[in-house]
Amino acid sequence: EIVLTQSPGTLSLSPGERATLSCRASQSVSSSSLAWYQQKPGQAPRLLIYGASSRATGIPDRFFGSGSGTDFTLTISRLEPEDSAVYYCQQYGGSPVLYSFGQGTKLEIK
Amino acid sequence: QVQLQESGPGLVKPSGTLSLTCAVSGGSISSNNWCWWSWVRQPPGKGLEWIGEIYHSGSTNYNPSLKSRVTISVDKSKNHFSLKLSSVTAADTAVYYCARRTDDFKSGNYGYFDYWGQGSLVTVSS
Repeated sequence: EIVLTQSPGTLSLSPGERATLSCRASQSVSSSSLAWYQQKPGQAPRLLIYGASSRATGIPDRFFGSGSGTDFTLTISRLEPEDSAVYYCQQYGGSPVLYSFGQGTKLEIK
Repeated sequence: QVQLQESGPGLVKPSGTLSLTCAVSGGSISSNNWCWWSWVRQPPGKGLEWIGEIYHSGSTNYNPSLKSRVTISVDKSKNHFSLKLSSVTAADTAVYYCARRTDDFKSGNYGYFDYWGQGSLVTVSS
């Protein structure tokens, strides 16, 4: 089973700063099958990035995904208050569990 | 614009069966050859766990940790798919989401959830 480990657990930054969120896989993951989601309290997850670096429809270019192999990164530039949320990475294609999610990184905007 | 909406009882007794339905609107559940329909759950204050998925043909994939207790089915005539989880315990208390998984063959990107329902909280308690 592929385990995704996200770091840091919590990130506290100010508006205008840049956030760097990490997702590390226990074994190599295809970049084409790595996604990132944003989840605000009481809401469903929202797709931000798929294929490691492709932004989903309507996602501003402040959100940037990168990485390959076992190390992936979500970078959020020019932070805004509404970016406060928990961010999850997710991979597809593992065995025996087809989909795995990271445990999440909580981003707080001071 | 595809929309998904979960429905079902919010309270289930221990050892009972949890049943939820996800209604799909804005598109036919069987019109897309590159979409699978999934269930994902989230215990209160915790992370996301994939439960299983179904294709419009009826093919299914399940999380091995839940496979013995899970059944996912599809009703194309009603444009919905359903989840049954048997022998529930308090550990099954969670928000249950239905979601659409998409494969984009043009770009070569796979296995991402582009549409989600708003979630349905199911509490297992006597």
